[in-house]
Amino acid sequence: DAGVTQSPTHLIKTRGQQVTLRCSPKSGHDTVSWYQQALGQGPQFIFQYYEEEERQRGNFPDRFSGHQFPNYSSELNVNALLLGDSALYLCASSLVAGRVYGYTFGSGTRLTVV
Amino acid sequence: GDSVTQMEGPVTLSEEAFLTINCTYTATGYPSLFWYVQYPGEGLQLLLKATKADDKGSNKGFEATYRKETTSFHLEKGSVQVSDSAVYFCALSDPSNTGKLIFGQGTTLQVKP
Repeated sequence: DAGVTQSPTHLIKTRGQQVTLRCSPKSGHDTVSWYQQALGQGPQFIFQYYEEEERQRGNFPDRFSGHQFPNYSSELNVNALLLGDSALYLCASSLVAGRVYGYTFGSGTRLTVV
Repeated sequence: GDSVTQMEGPVTLSEEAFLTINCTYTATGYPSLFWYVQYPGEGLQLLLKATKADDKGSNKGFEATYRKETTSFHLEKGSVQVSDSAVYFCALSDPSNTGKLIFGQGTTLQVKP
């Protein structure tokens, strides 16, 4: 049973560029959430997608946007990259009732902005 | 707003020692509580969870009890192993039921042989 798959695993970008990160949820899961984890910190919620709609958004600027496809996979897009966007980006999938059943995380995409 | 506070690390223990990692939370309503573990270079793995007051979550020898009166969810293990060395995150789910997780800052555990 495949878990959450994220690609790419590592990425280096230059300031001002744009980046797209991808996530395939665990089989049977229909909800995808994205988190940013800075070095030495706990993950911070970016947003969550369900039924191809953004359900909730954390305290992140509009440079961060996302999409969910009919097969439940998701993309995270970040425009106009800043050095401070360097972090591990984690995708988590769940059933809608994730607050009860928990969330499955991928291994993340390590983004470095230079 | 909702928040989670964990004891600061790193925590260094000898193999077979008793482990406690403290976690307290602030939340409106009745959140679910989780412990996640992160091994070096990897994502987060769900270790255990509790969904209501007095529930005890357990897995792989780790335990934590949801204490509403003290707003705590302390992680314990009776005998740690070198393989338990990792970063441990306490988290709560947003009671508004959208699924948003709020994490503590993480506690690094190092177990020495």
